[in-house]
Amino acid sequence: EDQVTQSPEALRLQEGESSSLNCSYTVSGLRGLFWYRQDPGKGPEFLFTLYSAGEEKEKERLKATLTKKESFLHITAPKPEDSATYLCAFASSNDYKLSFGAGTTVTVRA
Amino acid sequence: DGGITQSPKYLFRKEGQNVTLSCEQNLNHDAMYWYRQDPGQGLRLIYYSQIVNDFQKGDIAEGYSVSREKKESFPLTVTSAQKNPTAFYLCASRDFRSYEQYFGPGTRLTVT
Repeated sequence: EDQVTQSPEALRLQEGESSSLNCSYTVSGLRGLFWYRQDPGKGPEFLFTLYSAGEEKEKERLKATLTKKESFLHITAPKPEDSATYLCAFASSNDYKLSFGAGTTVTVRA
Repeated sequence: DGGITQSPKYLFRKEGQNVTLSCEQNLNHDAMYWYRQDPGQGLRLIYYSQIVNDFQKGDIAEGYSVSREKKESFPLTVTSAQKNPTAFYLCASRDFRSYEQYFGPGTRLTVT
């Protein structure tokens, strides 16, 4: 059965303290692995799409990587404005639906 | 500006009443989706539509209905048959050439 699990559920960081979020997935025929950022009370904001193992993408202090079983979102020298819930999702070859993890809530203290 | 709009932002209803949530997009996307988000859970798919006048049930369609009469619009009706309708509802759209979905701002529905 296709599924995705994110860890940890919550992460508290000091400003400047780099860390990584994990997204473990099991899918038959990966079409894409997606990362979103969601602020409280708002809709998810698209960050990255990764298509194949070994691929990496960066945006400001965020870097997403992909292996055959996991994706990581690395946050380098985070700032308080990086505080949000980060969601990962995948699309399988079966259809165009996305399956979402429960998210990791990141809090960055000044 | 291109984007997805959802209205209203907050909605309050009494138990037993049907309520319709609006979703409009001007991105010229073909596919549209409705998700429900509850605390501590991932987004769960309610309904989706890949083309006008066609839609499919998602994982939790019971108690919900949709229509897709125009490419730009995909309203969701939460019926009185939905046992636990209080939640944050998100609409998304996708261009047919990619898998990426783009989300609206959401509607928080409270039923008492």
